[in-house]
Amino acid sequence: DQQVKQNSPSLSVQEGRISILNCDYTNSMFDYFLWYKKYPAEGPTFLISISSIKDKNEDGRFTVFLNKSAKHLSLHIVPSQPGDSAVYFCAMNYGGSQGNLIFGKGTKLSVKP
Amino acid sequence: DAGVTQSPTHLIKTRGQQVTLRCSPKSGHDTVSWYQQALGQGPQFIFQYYEEEERQRGNFPDRFSGHQFPNYSSELNVNALLLGDSALYLCASSRRLAGDVTDTQYFGPGTRLTVL
Repeated sequence: DQQVKQNSPSLSVQEGRISILNCDYTNSMFDYFLWYKKYPAEGPTFLISISSIKDKNEDGRFTVFLNKSAKHLSLHIVPSQPGDSAVYFCAMNYGGSQGNLIFGKGTKLSVKP
Repeated sequence: DAGVTQSPTHLIKTRGQQVTLRCSPKSGHDTVSWYQQALGQGPQFIFQYYEEEERQRGNFPDRFSGHQFPNYSSELNVNALLLGDSALYLCASSRRLAGDVTDTQYFGPGTRLTVL
């Protein structure tokens, strides 16, 4: 049974607009949440993270939102750029350790010029 | 500053064979984790090594084993290969913090294993 779900396999957005990627989870024990970006033939690249004591974290164009009651995580990219085109994975774990990250299946984002 | 490196880049094996994959962590990192990413899936945790010992393990059979060396580099060994072992194998390194917590994991480019 999947603990982490990214229900949109793909997303297409116009350059300059907002990209919103979503992630749902079932295990209420998760307390640390991350987003990774992956280009073809490369390993996942860390983007941004948030702990369960917060509901928002910003880093430049990237903002992560956490809704613990809904068990929902989202990543907002504003403004979107063609170089943001990649597969985005949400990942999470619990117990204060970053071992054993549980990943979603990923969402492929395409940003069109 | 070199990031996480992995070798080889690609590997083709036949069923029943054994394979060894290698990983060098990012400078300053002492913890190495291994993940398997099947096609169309997210990475799945195999195990984590720290101080040359396996610290955590995911739901993988004993055919998957590992090792960490004094210089923090690591190997992943898979015995009796099955067709289903075909995947991208990712190594991630991180820094151990106080209280058995590790810092953010940084991934290498992966080794693409094909089992025929």
